[in-house]
Amino acid sequence: QSALTQPPSASGTPGQRVTISCSGSISNIGNNFVYWYQQLPGTAPKLLIYRNNQRASGVPDRFSASKSGISASLAISGLRSEDETFFYCATWDDSLSGRVFGGGTKLTVL
Amino acid sequence: EVQVVESGGGLVQPGRSLRLSCTTSGFAFDDYGMSWFRQAPGKGLEWVGFIRSKGYGGTTEYTASVKGRFTISRDDSKSIVYLQMKGLKTEDTGIYYCNRDDGWFDPWGQGTQVTVSS
Repeated sequence: QSALTQPPSASGTPGQRVTISCSGSISNIGNNFVYWYQQLPGTAPKLLIYRNNQRASGVPDRFSASKSGISASLAISGLRSEDETFFYCATWDDSLSGRVFGGGTKLTVL
Repeated sequence: EVQVVESGGGLVQPGRSLRLSCTTSGFAFDDYGMSWFRQAPGKGLEWVGFIRSKGYGGTTEYTASVKGRFTISRDDSKSIVYLQMKGLKTEDTGIYYCNRDDGWFDPWGQGTQVTVSS
């Protein structure tokens, strides 16, 4: 069981805005930066967001993220078919002395 | 340009050993910690372990499921980080990735496939 909890799936129609949540605890999200990664099945992950809300180079401003307390969220606006991928949140866990990932969310564009 | 290339994967029987290598370029390797990750078939990303830079003691951390079986080491003269895996189990099967540890991980290599099966 992952230290970070994400919904296994999310969906939206083209042009819509969707959000993906990531829930943790004081020892991980509560005390550390959150990062978001995107992964197409069969390919390597790609960094989307670093330090809670900073977009990585080349990431369109349709992607945004925030953190509050022990939770974080990724928002995708103007949904496109190419957004149909997996998204993972990640952070450091002080109790585990290690990095932790959420279980991943599969985004479907209907 | 930061690059990482993982190698050394393959098919191995349960209980045997395997050493993965991560060859890097494009950054001052000895200034950075390095992490290993894996992804089992059809599963999510899992952090395996981390080695700090020599400046921070070169110490290591591991996820619980590999402690005592996996060892991360580094050769700063070659800009390579290694993952020595012993006592391999079928559940260690997956694609293994390495990355420079900035807190975030970017870019990612293509990984190397490890299959543990009899």
